[in-house]
Amino acid sequence: DAGITQSPRHKVTETGTPVTLRCHQTENHRYMYWYRQDPGHGLRLIHYSYGVKDTDKGEVSDGYSVSRSKTEDFLLTLESATSSQTSVYFCAISGYLGQNTEAFFGQGTRLTVV
Amino acid sequence: EDQVTQSPEALRLQEGESSSLNCSYTVSGLRGLFWYRQDPGKGPEFLFTLYSAGEEKEKERLKATLTKKESFLHITAPKPEDSATYLCAVQDTFSNSNSGYALNFGKGTSLLVTP
Repeated sequence: DAGITQSPRHKVTETGTPVTLRCHQTENHRYMYWYRQDPGHGLRLIHYSYGVKDTDKGEVSDGYSVSRSKTEDFLLTLESATSSQTSVYFCAISGYLGQNTEAFFGQGTRLTVV
Repeated sequence: EDQVTQSPEALRLQEGESSSLNCSYTVSGLRGLFWYRQDPGKGPEFLFTLYSAGEEKEKERLKATLTKKESFLHITAPKPEDSATYLCAVQDTFSNSNSGYALNFGKGTSLLVTP
């Protein structure tokens, strides 16, 4: 398995509270991604990072922010959680551009906003 | 805008009954097409990458093929342990290169293989 650790694995939080999810990799990969997975929607890209302090928005970025202060860590923050952000969140990593650019995924964080 | 459509949404097979899953796609330029397997409560697990029409890749009972508009995941003589959701994703050549060509996923096909 690719060295990707997501924490926490499960979290229940109240509407309006801030939440931070962590992704830690041991592969020294340049690119890191946050996706959310919801029934009927599949996996959708929230934010991605292409290096330390280099991040950009994905398809469904509203209500989320990210930070990457070290190569190995990529944080996803919900500034003020809403029920629509109840989902399973996956972190993914991929290497340098080239022939092999498949992404490897963590085990996911199940977030419930009540 | 890139689009990925997988069919069927769900498929039930008996053990040993071969079948195929479909992934049709629309992209400005295809850099790569990816197949993943996802078990309940787990993250997607990488299976194959296909880069050009006519390319085929195999792994145990799975074989992936690619044309200019779609990809098939053929499952030969499936076993119950092949039960999972199979995800298809594409990378667009013309997407922002800073993204490392982030993947655009279909909604998946849920496969159940019964003994």
